[in-house]
Amino acid sequence: GENVEQHPSTLSVQEGDSAVIKCTYSDSASNYFPWYKQELGKGPQLIIDIRSNVGEKKDQRIAVTLNKTAKHFSLHITETQPEDSAVYFCAPRMGNYGQNFVFGPGTRLSVLP
Amino acid sequence: DGGITQSPKYLFRKEGQNVTLSCEQNLNHDAMYWYRQDPGQGLRLIYYSQIVNDFQKGDIAEGYSVSREKKESFPLTVTSAQKNPTAFYLCASSITETQYFGPGTRLLVL
Repeated sequence: GENVEQHPSTLSVQEGDSAVIKCTYSDSASNYFPWYKQELGKGPQLIIDIRSNVGEKKDQRIAVTLNKTAKHFSLHITETQPEDSAVYFCAPRMGNYGQNFVFGPGTRLSVLP
Repeated sequence: DGGITQSPKYLFRKEGQNVTLSCEQNLNHDAMYWYRQDPGQGLRLIYYSQIVNDFQKGDIAEGYSVSREKKESFPLTVTSAQKNPTAFYLCASSITETQYFGPGTRLLVL
C-alpha cells in the first residue's frame, strides 16, 4: 500500500519557539496535502492544506510547504503556545482525485510553558 | 448548530456480541467515512460512502459492516468476527477534500 511517514514522532519545544513536522509520501500522483490537529479524546480537525500547484501557504502562525519533487511537505508553527500541544497528522490524498487519504502515524507536539 | 455527532461516547462489547456505532451529520455532505484509531497510531480507513445506498471497503473492513440508507446517517456495526475491536472509532464527512470529524466512540471489550 501507499507509505506515509512523519518525523519526528514526538517533539517538545519551549513556548514561543518554532516547531516543524515533516511528512513524506510515496504516491507521485498525489495533489492534495492536508494537516490535521487532534486534541486528547477528540476527533482530528483540519488546520491547513495545500495543493500541488502551490509551494507554500500561510495562515497566521501556521504554514505548510510542499516539495513535490522530493515527495514531502512540512507543517511549520511559529510562536508556539501551550494550546498548540496536540497530535498532528498529515493525510495526503493518494492519486489526484477522489477521497482516498492515507493518514501518517502522527507527531505528538508538547509546548512547554 | 451544524456538525457531525457520534454516539455513544463509550461502548462496551461482550464476547460474541455485535454492536452498532451511530454517526449522524447535518452538514449536507455526500461522503462519509469510518476510521479506526489504535493508541499512539494514525487513522485507518474501515469503510467509506460517496452517496446514499453505496459504500466501499477501506483497508481494514473485515469484521465490520455499514449501511447508508440516508444521506445524514452512516452507522457502523462491529461484528463478532472482529477479534480485536478495542479502539477509538472516528466518523467523518466531506463535500470537498476537507474531512470533518465527529468526537469519536471508544469501544472496549468486557
